Amino acid sequence: QKEVEQNSGPLSVPEGAIASLNCTYSDRGSQSFFWYRQYSGKSPELIMFIYSNGDKEDGRFTAQLNKASQYVSLLIRDSQPSDSATYLCAVNSGGSNYKLTFGKGTLLTVNP
Amino acid sequence: EAGVVQSPRYKIIEKKQPVAFWCNPISGHNTLYWYLQNLGQGPELLIRYENEEAVDDSQLPKDRFSAERLKGVDSTLKIQPAELGDSAVYLCASSLDSGGLAYNEQFFGPGTRLTVL
Repeated sequence: QKEVEQNSGPLSVPEGAIASLNCTYSDRGSQSFFWYRQYSGKSPELIMFIYSNGDKEDGRFTAQLNKASQYVSLLIRDSQPSDSATYLCAVNSGGSNYKLTFGKGTLLTVNP
Repeated sequence: EAGVVQSPRYKIIEKKQPVAFWCNPISGHNTLYWYLQNLGQGPELLIRYENEEAVDDSQLPKDRFSAERLKGVDSTLKIQPAELGDSAVYLCASSLDSGGLAYNEQFFGPGTRLTVL
């Protein structure tokens, strides 16, 4: 069973702080990694993807990947109350067949 | 550009009744996915279509669930008979292509929230 693990939270940070969200995965052959944001009662929306070791930055968001440790993270700088949502880590565990396995998600609350 | 459309948005039925969900993907997207999302969990893939072909239905409970994607566009997911444990949100997603090892964004519809009494 290919697994994706996330702390369920809730993770609470003050406005303007850095929020750090973590994810580990069990399938060492996984090749691409995704972070989705899901507001309460809404559907998931893609924030970032990464498939090379290291950091990838997009605005206030930075994804970090360490394949040797089977670890992927998402940093949100200058957190805003509008960032309050559940963040889902997803891993392509199907290789070229492309099958996403999602974690349970981490609930982030940004306090004004 | 219109997003993924799903209907109905909400459905309440009694156990042992049949239920069907409909999805229309983004125009031009040849890959369509049905996911199930329980409260506090991430989405779990039920079935993936490439055009009209179901290429991964390994997690679809085939004793009671069925799906079709006639003409490779919109799709229907059916449950018959429904059980109490089927209460969840059923999400449809689509993407341009499912192949390759790199980035491939899936766009999700709003979901259908099913309650089985």
